[in-house]
Amino acid sequence: EVQMVESGGGLVQPGGSLRLSCAASGFTLSSYSMNWVRQAPGKGLEWVSCISSSSSIYYADSVKGRFTISRDNAKNSLYLQMNSLRVEDTAMYYCARLYDLWGQGTLVTVSS
Amino acid sequence: QLVLTQSPSASASLGASVKLTCTLSSGHSSYAIAWHQQQPEKGPRYLMKLNSDGSHSKGDVIPDRFSGSSSGAERYLTISSLQSDDEADYYCQTWGTGIQVFGGGTKLTVL
Repeated sequence: EVQMVESGGGLVQPGGSLRLSCAASGFTLSSYSMNWVRQAPGKGLEWVSCISSSSSIYYADSVKGRFTISRDNAKNSLYLQMNSLRVEDTAMYYCARLYDLWGQGTLVTVSS
Repeated sequence: QLVLTQSPSASASLGASVKLTCTLSSGHSSYAIAWHQQQPEKGPRYLMKLNSDGSHSKGDVIPDRFSGSSSGAERYLTISSLQSDDEADYYCQTWGTGIQVFGGGTKLTVL
């Protein structure tokens, strides 16, 4: 079955760090452009970061310098290292394959 | 600047049809988009990719009731024979080099 499963979310204090993981199955993750997309409570979808099949990396301005996207081809997994977290980073975080496949999401809550 | 504009809300009656619109910003009328559905308390689900010429490719097990069309900078999602579980938020998405953009979403209410 073609799917992606996120993990690693949780409650963290402002200024803290979290590492999100997205495990892919049924396809080779490195063959696709992969994205992290987030959704704050009650809000719309917001693109966060992308790693292309050629390993080009891009970030939204709101996370540039604080978040790092990466992938492990051997584990067929995508990651998002989130540092210097802010209250406004609170959201459900989804991994997405280009535009045609979504994970179920993992919730990140930044609060003191 | 690449921007997608959607109406915040739409409504239609059970069994009727509805046409949702996503508008690309000036200078970007040739871009393809994707449509996604997000039912209450669920994650997004890919519906289709829609090209500027109106051709589209749907995701797995997306019913024929869902179709797409294009005109200039406008991209449309038409849902026919509306069912209660079509009540959801609908987002359009496009992409360029180094960027992905989402529309603000349209909340569809099935009356």
